[in-house]
Amino acid sequence: DAGVIQSPRHEVTEMGQEVTLRCKPISGHDYLFWYRQTMMRGLELLIYFNNNVPIDDSGMPEDRFSAKMPNASFSTLKIQPSEPRDSAVYFCASSPTGGGNTIYFGEGSWLTVV
Amino acid sequence: TQLLEQSPQFLSIQEGENLTVYCNSSSVFSSLQWYRQEPGEGPVLLVTVVTGGEVKKLKRLTFQFGDARKDSSLHITAAQPGDTGLYLCAGVGGYQKVTFGTGTKLQVIP
Repeated sequence: DAGVIQSPRHEVTEMGQEVTLRCKPISGHDYLFWYRQTMMRGLELLIYFNNNVPIDDSGMPEDRFSAKMPNASFSTLKIQPSEPRDSAVYFCASSPTGGGNTIYFGEGSWLTVV
Repeated sequence: TQLLEQSPQFLSIQEGENLTVYCNSSSVFSSLQWYRQEPGEGPVLLVTVVTGGEVKKLKRLTFQFGDARKDSSLHITAAQPGDTGLYLCAGVGGYQKVTFGTGTKLQVIP
């Protein structure tokens, strides 16, 4: 069975550019989470969805960040415009019934904004 | 915001030593999970504890959930170099919101 698939794996972009991160959750999982990990702030929950509907986006840093889940097999996290402080590893994760069960993480998208 | 503080933040020990990592919060959680993350990878679940006071063992790892379901500990007996990694606790709150702790970076020296 394929795990959570994220793309791109690595991205280097210039400040001000739009960045789109993509995620394909594990088939049949109805929860999808977006996390950001940095040395300073650890692993932060940005937003999560249940059955394609955003449940909590209180962790989204500011209006430059947006996330969508148009169907059960695809989600995007967009940053526009990007800033150097957005440099981090962005993880997508999915879970079959939410937090009570295992959350399966993708390998992460390593973003560097210069 | 539900904050989970882990201590210590960093730990470097010799192979064969014992260690305990703590995860503390002022919030009550329906369950608490422990994950281990290795460089370049996403976190991987080790265990989920659900009941206050619950103790679970996974080989040399012992996990305990506090009676009030606000805190947890992870004890490793006779640490091995393969135990090296970042250990993260995660609290499950309302609406299945999963919040991760600050992390404990463990290095076991052969």
